[in-house]
Amino acid sequence: ETGVTQTPRHLVMGMTNKKSLKCEQHLGHNAMYWYKQSAKKPLELMFVYSLEERVENNSVPSRFSPECPNSSHLFLHLHTLQPEDSALYLCASSQDGQGDQPQHFGDGTRLSIL
Amino acid sequence: AQSVTQLDSQVPVFEEAPVELRCNYSSSVSVYLFWYVQYPNQGLQLLLKYLSGSTLVKGINGFEAEFNKSQTSFHLRKPSVHISDTAEYFCAVSGTSYGKLTFGQGTILTVHP
Repeated sequence: ETGVTQTPRHLVMGMTNKKSLKCEQHLGHNAMYWYKQSAKKPLELMFVYSLEERVENNSVPSRFSPECPNSSHLFLHLHTLQPEDSALYLCASSQDGQGDQPQHFGDGTRLSIL
Repeated sequence: AQSVTQLDSQVPVFEEAPVELRCNYSSSVSVYLFWYVQYPNQGLQLLLKYLSGSTLVKGINGFEAEFNKSQTSFHLRKPSVHISDTAEYFCAVSGTSYGKLTFGQGTILTVHP
């Protein structure tokens, strides 16, 4: 298996539930990213990890909690979400987090908050 | 700070016609420029990138883009589109800080038979 894999592809949850999104990359990359894609808004960077250390938290509410246990895996733990959190959540990776390196994206998790 | 403006939210064209998707950017530092494509129910796929050197860059699927520093533009072009090019296209800029990408709002390209 190659590339960036995200699971689940679709998730429906209530506002009081706790769930996690998973991302796995098979490219040997050292940097990983979480983006939020909402309708009619540009993609928003949420978090950046470089060598398993969080290096960027782009003013994301604490109800989103990322975790990077190793350079191949990235999680986004969700709790007490709001309806406006419904969106497509995309994971990406790049070789070393340098600006001239393209990012490779997964197919995303479509999240719906009831 | 960086920003990206894609000037057209939707571009309808007929099959085999040429197309140009416009992108302008602003940045206080040197940038790297990218175009990504997103097909329905998929993530983003890199079309092409400008890092330095020749201002005309060629990408996959017959697309090319021209970097114009004086006009701060990076327009995407294809001389003859196919039905399969129907997708949403994103222009993005990256600085040097951890490769953070700033995206434009996206342009939906619809190719009609």
